Amino acid sequence: AQRVTQPEKLLSVFKGAPVELKCNYSYSGSPELFWYVQYSRQRLQLLLRHISRESIKGFTADLNKGETSFHLKKPFAQEEDSAMYYCALSGQNTNAGKSTFGDGTTLTVKP
Amino acid sequence: DTEVTQTPKHLVMGMTNKKSLKCEQHMGHRAMYWYKQKAKKPPELMFVYSYEKLSINESVPSRFSPECPNSSLLNLHLHALQPEDSALYLCASSSFEGGGELFFGEGSRLTVL
Repeated sequence: AQRVTQPEKLLSVFKGAPVELKCNYSYSGSPELFWYVQYSRQRLQLLLRHISRESIKGFTADLNKGETSFHLKKPFAQEEDSAMYYCALSGQNTNAGKSTFGDGTTLTVKP
Repeated sequence: DTEVTQTPKHLVMGMTNKKSLKCEQHMGHRAMYWYKQKAKKPPELMFVYSYEKLSINESVPSRFSPECPNSSLLNLHLHALQPEDSALYLCASSSFEGGGELFFGEGSRLTVL
């Protein structure tokens, strides 16, 4: 079974501080990992995916297969980063359509 | 057009009503999804359509009936719902099933009285 765990329900940092949102997964195979973000009153949208290896809005995430983790990091948090963040996993083959979401982490960046 | 559009935005219905939620995308995506999201919870997958055929049904009660009339449209027919079915219903699409990024609509907020 595929599973995504985000251990922190709430995370609060001050503006300019580094932030790390944790994500661990379990999947027997090679999953595809994503981070989705939901800003207040906006639709859920993709922030980044592991295969693209991009930095979006200053956020990066590295897939660590040994630790089965995909933590999201930003060196200097901004107030506009305050949002709900979901880590998600998409399997392969017959499970390709089953994206599994973690419970989410609400990030608050204080001024 | 890079959006998924859902209507209605809000819906209130009684337990004996029949209503439908609609979803539309014009990105040429061949996979479409229905998710259910309760407050402060992650989206839960309900159905997946791939090339207009039902691919995945996550053991959803039959009072929810999906339909994919064509590659751009996805409906969710609702009948005899229960109050616990009140939630935000999200539609999403992707290039193909398992094809990476999900594009979400804003959702239809359903209240069952």
